[in-house]
Amino acid sequence: DSGVTQTPKHLITATGQRVTLRCSPRSGDLSVYWYQQSLDQGLQFLIQYYNGEERAKGNILERFSAQQFPDLHSELNLSSLELGDSALYFCASTEGDWNYGYTFGSGTRLTVV
Amino acid sequence: TQLLEQSPQFLSIQEGENLTVYCNSSSVFSSLQWYRQEPGEGPVLLVTVVTGGEVKKLKRLTFQFGDARKDSSLHITAAQPGDTGLYLCAGRSTRGKLIFGQGTTLQVKP
Repeated sequence: DSGVTQTPKHLITATGQRVTLRCSPRSGDLSVYWYQQSLDQGLQFLIQYYNGEERAKGNILERFSAQQFPDLHSELNLSSLELGDSALYFCASTEGDWNYGYTFGSGTRLTVV
Repeated sequence: TQLLEQSPQFLSIQEGENLTVYCNSSSVFSSLQWYRQEPGEGPVLLVTVVTGGEVKKLKRLTFQFGDARKDSSLHITAAQPGDTGLYLCAGRSTRGKLIFGQGTTLQVKP
């Protein structure tokens, strides 16, 4: 157990739907990072939050959004889902805004049918 | 755009063999990390290298950061079936985010 908790572990939904993925960071960590992992694209950085504020943005689609709440958990919202959104979504956390070691959760496997 | 290229993409070897995985870029990175990922799990940090030319050892694994901080290698001595997994290098970009290579899938057969 890495200390980073992601729910749900698996999610199957239809095209056009909206889903919310949840991440609880490791105790004491203020930064949360979201990554998408697919077979052809590898691990792609989506977005980072630090202590409730958006800190960095990667290749995140406009249909995707995220937020970090006062208790530091984060949610990634994916809407108007397409088949190509099927992937593993990972959350990672670090103590600060500029730390070397990322602690990853076990991921959420999203399947869009 | 800063990119990290790993080679080889796939490696299947017998137990006891040695292997080296390479991670190359045309860009300079302030630090470079190696992760190992098993099926159904998230990547787990193995090591971070910061200084050009730095060498770190973790039991049978040896990590090296290139002098110019543009490349790194992971060498495994006497590979074991338990070393099987996806090995990822990741570099911290100039904008602070962590950029991952595509990964090297290693299979060690008993």
